[in-house]
Amino acid sequence: GQNIDQPTEMTATEGAIVQINCTYQTSGFNGLFWYQQHAGEAPTFLSYNVLDGLEEKGRFSSFLSRSKGYSYLLLKELQMKDSASYLCAVRGEDGANNLFFGTGTRLTVIP
Amino acid sequence: EPEVTQTPSHQVTQMGQEVILRCVPISNHLYFYWYRQILGQKVEFLVSFYNNEISEKSEIFDDQFSVERPDGSNFTLKIRSTKLEDSAMYFCASSRTGGRAEAFFGQGTRLTVV
Repeated sequence: GQNIDQPTEMTATEGAIVQINCTYQTSGFNGLFWYQQHAGEAPTFLSYNVLDGLEEKGRFSSFLSRSKGYSYLLLKELQMKDSASYLCAVRGEDGANNLFFGTGTRLTVIP
Repeated sequence: EPEVTQTPSHQVTQMGQEVILRCVPISNHLYFYWYRQILGQKVEFLVSFYNNEISEKSEIFDDQFSVERPDGSNFTLKIRSTKLEDSAMYFCASSRTGGRAEAFFGQGTRLTVV
């Protein structure tokens, strides 16, 4: 089976840095994605990791450790508009393209 | 910027009725997907479609579900006999290739079965 765990909720202050963790146990691994989802809207792509290490993209960075089945999404200089759910998703087996999603972490940014 | 479009945005149907959810994927994309999200729960994979056939499907995608690409632009999900538990947001997604290519999601169709 596929098991992807994230904290349910987090709160952080505007201008601060927040780290959202994701651990996974899947039958096969072919990449990990982070998506942002505002309430009632579609998920939008943030980042992709398939090799160990850090991928940086502006205010957002994502880290992967395949040996530990662990990833995190780092958001810097938080803005109020960053309040959303952040979804960790794993592409499982080789040749498969579907994503397995975690339950998402609802981030609330406060002034 | 190209986007995945879905219609309708909301659909209310009576239990036992058939519904068809429609999607227009991004034009140069080759892989198409349907996901669903029951209110307050995680996004769940239903089916992927490539080269005019189903490439993967989950255990949710049983005989009451079917997908079709009736022409060069549309991608549809049919639910033959809806049940109350089919009430969810249904997202269509597409990706240019498989592998590392990210999937772009449509805005979703909120299906309510009464």
